[in-house]
Amino acid sequence: EDQVTQSPEALRLQEGESSSLNCSYTVSGLRGLFWYRQDPGKGPEFLFTLYSAGEEKEKERLKATLTKKESFLHITAPKPEDSATYLCAVQAGTDSWGKLQFGAGTQVVVTP
Amino acid sequence: DVKVTQSSRYLVKRTGEKVFLECVQDMDHENMFWYRQDPGLGLRLIYFSYDVKMKEKGDIPEGYSVSREKKERFSLILESASTNQTSMYLCASSSHRGPTDTQYFGPGTRLTVL
Repeated sequence: EDQVTQSPEALRLQEGESSSLNCSYTVSGLRGLFWYRQDPGKGPEFLFTLYSAGEEKEKERLKATLTKKESFLHITAPKPEDSATYLCAVQAGTDSWGKLQFGAGTQVVVTP
Repeated sequence: DVKVTQSSRYLVKRTGEKVFLECVQDMDHENMFWYRQDPGLGLRLIYFSYDVKMKEKGDIPEGYSVSREKKERFSLILESASTNQTSMYLCASSSHRGPTDTQYFGPGTRLTVL
C-alpha cells in the first residue's frame, strides 16, 4: 500500500532561519511527487512536481529535492509570508487515473 | 492559469438535508476529484471522475454520490447530511495529457452540518 509520511508535524522558525521539511514515501513505481502549499481555510496551491531521484526544483525561497525514498523541501531565509501548511503527495505509476496519496502535512510558522 | 471554482465557501445545513456541492474547472481537464480534509486525517479521496458520466469510488465514498453531466462540472451530493460529514470539501482537476497528472485545487467549501 502506498504511504506518505511527513515530518515534523509542525515547525516554528525565526525569520531568516533556514530549515528543511521531510517527506518519506513508499509507492509502487513513483510516477511523480508533488509539493503543495495550503493557507488556512484555503485549497492547496501547487508548488512542484518531481519525477525522478536526483531531481531538484526551485521557486523563490523554496527548493525541493528527491531521492528514491524521500523528498525534502528546503526553505531558505524564510519570511513570515512563508507560513503555511506544506503538503506532500505521491502518484503511483500503477495508477491509471492520476490519484494522489497525501501526507498529513507540516505546519510552518515563521515569526518576525 | 488553471481555475477551479467551488459554489460556496461556507455552507451550514441541517441533519437529513440533501446537500449539493458544485465544482467547475475551466481548463478542459478530463479528471476531477472530490476530497474531504479533516484535522489529523489529511486529505481523503471521496470520488473521482475521468470522463463525462464516468465515476469511480475513492477511499471514503459512503454517504456520498457524484454527478458529472458536463466535462467542466463535477457535483458532490450528500443524500442525507449527517453531523460526521462536517468538514472541508476540496475539489481538484487534472489532465492526463502530460507526463504526470498534476491536480489543481479549488478554494474549498467549509460545510457544517447541525
